[in-house]
Amino acid sequence: QSALTQPASVSGSPGQSITISCTGTSSDVGRYNRVSWYQQHPGQAPKVMIYDVSNRPSGVTNRFSGSKSGNTASLTISGLQAEDEADYYCKSYTSSYTYVFGTGTKVTVV
Amino acid sequence: QVQLVQSGAEVKKPGASVKVSCKASGYTFSNYHIHWVRQAPGQGLEWVGIFKASGDVIFYAQKFQGRVTMTRDTSTSTVYMEVSSLASEDTAVYYCARELPDAYYLDYWGQGTLVTVSS
Repeated sequence: QSALTQPASVSGSPGQSITISCTGTSSDVGRYNRVSWYQQHPGQAPKVMIYDVSNRPSGVTNRFSGSKSGNTASLTISGLQAEDEADYYCKSYTSSYTYVFGTGTKVTVV
Repeated sequence: QVQLVQSGAEVKKPGASVKVSCKASGYTFSNYHIHWVRQAPGQGLEWVGIFKASGDVIFYAQKFQGRVTMTRDTSTSTVYMEVSSLASEDTAVYYCARELPDAYYLDYWGQGTLVTVSS
């Protein structure tokens, strides 16, 4: 199972919106609406930001939103803030009853 | 409060095995799946496997099959992951994380356990 493909880095200015893509295959992202997104700050464990493509867990700001089209899922961060600077990973359920993470994207607030 | 507390850092020689523990508290242990995820230094997250709440279903990522074993002790609310035939490429922080069955996402994570493989 190959990792899902994400851009290595995305940057934006405070207040702007950015979108991170996550491309998989018809055996994972394209087959199931079981894509979640995780935020990881340096030295910390990941934190879930989006689950089931577009749902936010309780306590996560609505500046984070998710969507999916075909084999590609996307995470959008609107009203970018300094605290959003972190690494982001998508994760999908697969047809092999396993899971696969994306390659990860470093978000920089410039 | 929900907590997943992992065992401490380990240093192992190539070819050895390591067993990492993940002790749960603050919730009904047997009602949740436990996943293991690893992260090599400066690298991304890699899914290792899942120990399902039922206790009789375990899935491993293909690359770890035959080399990783997950077990559970319900009397102590602890899940274990053993990795055998360690190589330098197994140097990583290993995380355990919880999933509510049929939720398909990880809502609580352990603090991570650094496993260093070095001769």
